[in-house]
Amino acid sequence: EVQLVQSGAEVKKPGESLKISCKGSGYSFTSYWIGWVRQMPGKGLEWMGIIYPGDSDTRYSPSFQGQVTISADKSISTAYLQWSSLKASDTAMYYCARVLDGVSGYWGQGTLVTVSS
Amino acid sequence: QSALTQPASVSGSPGQSITISCTGTSSDVGGYNYVSWYQQHPGKAPKLMIYDVSNRPSGVSNRFSGSKSGNTASLTISGLQAEDEADYYCSSYTSSSTLNVFGTGTKVTVL
Repeated sequence: EVQLVQSGAEVKKPGESLKISCKGSGYSFTSYWIGWVRQMPGKGLEWMGIIYPGDSDTRYSPSFQGQVTISADKSISTAYLQWSSLKASDTAMYYCARVLDGVSGYWGQGTLVTVSS
Repeated sequence: QSALTQPASVSGSPGQSITISCTGTSSDVGGYNYVSWYQQHPGKAPKLMIYDVSNRPSGVSNRFSGSKSGNTASLTISGLQAEDEADYYCSSYTSSSTLNVFGTGTKVTVL
């Protein structure tokens, strides 16, 4: 069974760093793209970027380029999304999804990130 | 890239059919047969309902169907049921970015 399991909710202060994770199982982790999606409170879905764990090819949406870093450790089938300096506007639910030909058939359960002083 | 345009809300009575539109441009919806639709219940992760314009993943009810004409894709839900009340998002491949683009989202209400 394909599963994407994300790390738990986080509460951080502005300026702090953060790295959240998404662990894949039940399939060949290196053969599919993993994407990250942001959903701000009460708002819609936004693609942030995607990574191909097989060779770490990473692409970012222009809106998120330079704001976050996406990485993966194929030895433990885990993808990451990280911030070096959080802002209050980063408060959102973040989802990872397995992507094949642009289609996301499997999603993680989401990680809620709250940034507040 | 700009989000695809969807109506903010659509409603219908149980048993009725409703259609949600998703309007883009020739650089995304109109140019490729790579439109997918996702259902999201409150507090839940999105769920794939339709891919490649009109294909249903295994396990998705045949009450859900997709189509496309020009720069507009559509999701039709027939025999509307209470469990269909959710937010729906379209998504399309776009030549302007290496990532797909989502629609603005539509809240479906079952009256």
